[in-house]
Amino acid sequence: KAGVTQTPRYLIKTRGQQVTLSCSPISGHRSVSWYQQTPGQGLQFLFEYFSETQRNKGNFPGRFSGRQFSNSRSEMNVSTLELGDSALYLCASSLAAREASYEQYFGPGTRLTVT
Amino acid sequence: QKEVEQNSGPLSVPEGAIASLNCTYSDRGSQSFFWYRQYSGKSPELIMSIYSNGDKEDGRFTAQLNKASQYVSLLIRDSQPSDSATYLCAVNDYGGATNKLIFGTGTLLAVQP
Repeated sequence: KAGVTQTPRYLIKTRGQQVTLSCSPISGHRSVSWYQQTPGQGLQFLFEYFSETQRNKGNFPGRFSGRQFSNSRSEMNVSTLELGDSALYLCASSLAAREASYEQYFGPGTRLTVT
Repeated sequence: QKEVEQNSGPLSVPEGAIASLNCTYSDRGSQSFFWYRQYSGKSPELIMSIYSNGDKEDGRFTAQLNKASQYVSLLIRDSQPSDSATYLCAVNDYGGATNKLIFGTGTLLAVQP
């Protein structure tokens, strides 16, 4: 079974621009979560989507948004980029809402550099 | 604010030894616990999940959970240089219908040949 895929793998943007990242979960997985990883803050939860609905959102500004499509693929968008948005953005998928199926599997990530 | 605490290390062990990694968490109601391994420049890889008190073994890995003391540990037997990585402890912030993991900052493990 194919794993979680993310595109693009690397991005370089300038301050003020906006960016869209894409994630395709493992086949059959309905939950997609997004995380930001930086050396200073570690792994921080951004948001989770399940059946096209955002179920939870982390403590990030409104510049960070996302959506999920009917095929469970997800996108996240960051508008008005700031230097501090430079990070590894990770997508994780999991099977469903039962406790034992909360195991999350990460994609390879998108490395975003804001200059 | 729910927290997960880990010693950042580095934890240095000789090849063939047992590596012991520890994690504590603040929310007594937490139910699901995970260990991820992350090699430098790569994404986290799930290696163990544990939901009940006690031990869970998978090959050279053993996860231990003690909900009363609010700690989770990971033992790696017969450590190999290829085990050198950062190990992340994660707790599921399960409050109703959510799938949010709270991560510790990770422990860097170095296995010396």
